[in-house]
Amino acid sequence: EIVLTQSPTTIAASPGEKVTITCRASSSVSYMYWYQQKSGASPKLWIYDTSKLASGVPNRFSGSGSGTSYSLTINTMETEDAATYYCQQWSSTPWTFGGGTKLELK
Amino acid sequence: EVQLVESGGGLVQPGRSLKLSCAASGFTFSNYYMAWVRQAPTKGLEWVASITNSGGSTYYRDSVKGRFTISRDNAKSTLYLQMDSLRSEDTATYYCTTGSFDYWGQGVMVTVSS
Repeated sequence: EIVLTQSPTTIAASPGEKVTITCRASSSVSYMYWYQQKSGASPKLWIYDTSKLASGVPNRFSGSGSGTSYSLTINTMETEDAATYYCQQWSSTPWTFGGGTKLELK
Repeated sequence: EVQLVESGGGLVQPGRSLKLSCAASGFTFSNYYMAWVRQAPTKGLEWVASITNSGGSTYYRDSVKGRFTISRDNAKSTLYLQMDSLRSEDTATYYCTTGSFDYWGQGVMVTVSS
């Protein structure tokens, strides 16, 4: 099973600040996927194929990485970005998710 | 608009069974793989099971293999998850998703407790 480790577990950012969340895989994966989940709501696909933004995702978000190291970056934090973000891999079953990174507003 | 609406959750005793349903609309259900993903209270996401668009193949995580059965009725645009021999560690919100996790339902809570 491919284990995905996200860091940090929690981060607080001020509006306008740059935020980076990392996801490290225990084995190489071809692509990384990211989901946003706000409190009490269902997850939403946020970034797919490592760097492609899902429909409606603001372009202040970006994704990058390869092999075992991937990241999600918010160029300038906005209040609506406060949420938990999960990475996920499709390279081998069982499909696995990272433990999540809770992004809070400072 | 894609809609996935789960139902069938509730409180159940350990060892008992429960069947979840997911009514799909807004897309051609029979063309899509489908899946169930769960989230234990205050925990992260965990893939549970997937099914091909025809229903001919199914896939499960090890911890539910032999206890859970994913199935679908393409004529009714409905996905199911039959959960038998339930354990306390199965307590979670269960989400119905399209097979590539691009659309999610609102989730249904399953609590396994005596």
